[in-house]
Amino acid sequence: TQLLEQSPQFLSIQEGENLTVYCNSSSVFSSLQWYRQEPGEGPVLLVTVVTGGEVKKLKRLTFQFGDARKDSSLHITAAQPGDTGLYLCAGETRNNAGNMLTFGGGTRLMVKP
Amino acid sequence: DSGVTQTPKHLITATGQRVTLRCSPRSGDLSVYWYQQSLDQGLQFLIQYYNGEERAKGNILERFSAQQFPDLHSELNLSSLELGDSALYFCASSLGTSNLHEQYFGPGTRLTVT
Repeated sequence: TQLLEQSPQFLSIQEGENLTVYCNSSSVFSSLQWYRQEPGEGPVLLVTVVTGGEVKKLKRLTFQFGDARKDSSLHITAAQPGDTGLYLCAGETRNNAGNMLTFGGGTRLMVKP
Repeated sequence: DSGVTQTPKHLITATGQRVTLRCSPRSGDLSVYWYQQSLDQGLQFLIQYYNGEERAKGNILERFSAQQFPDLHSELNLSSLELGDSALYFCASSLGTSNLHEQYFGPGTRLTVT
């Protein structure tokens, strides 16, 4: 069974602070995705990283895929209250027929004004 | 709004019963995925269908089954329900099975088994 460990599970910070969320696994994934989920809604995709060592930036969010494609990180610069939510990483596994996502346990972020 | 619709939004039923959850994918999407989200297990992949065919299977219990119909909508059937089946059930759809095809999640069905 492939597992993705996310840390920290909970994070409460002040507006303007920086933070990093980690997603680690012993398994290699075809790609790794980061989602954000609001209460009462489904997850929304933020980014997909495919190549080992890849770095992607989305405004104040920076995503990195480890060289071995087993781990990833999400860094938020100057966090804002609007960043509050549940952040989920998901590793994609593919076979000849289809694909499936294995999700991490999530990081619940609260940014206080 | 992701374009994926799920019905019902809430479902309350008793142990031992059977329920059917319905999902309509985004227009043009051929692939449908089902996920279960519970407090203790997190978000778990159950099963994937592509254009009516089962393509990938996760930790789906034998009491659960799914299908995708010719019009591409999908149903997840849960039978002999237990208290532990209480969870949010999400459907997601994508154009195909490539990692370039984003999965769009529906709003979920909250199932409560009493």
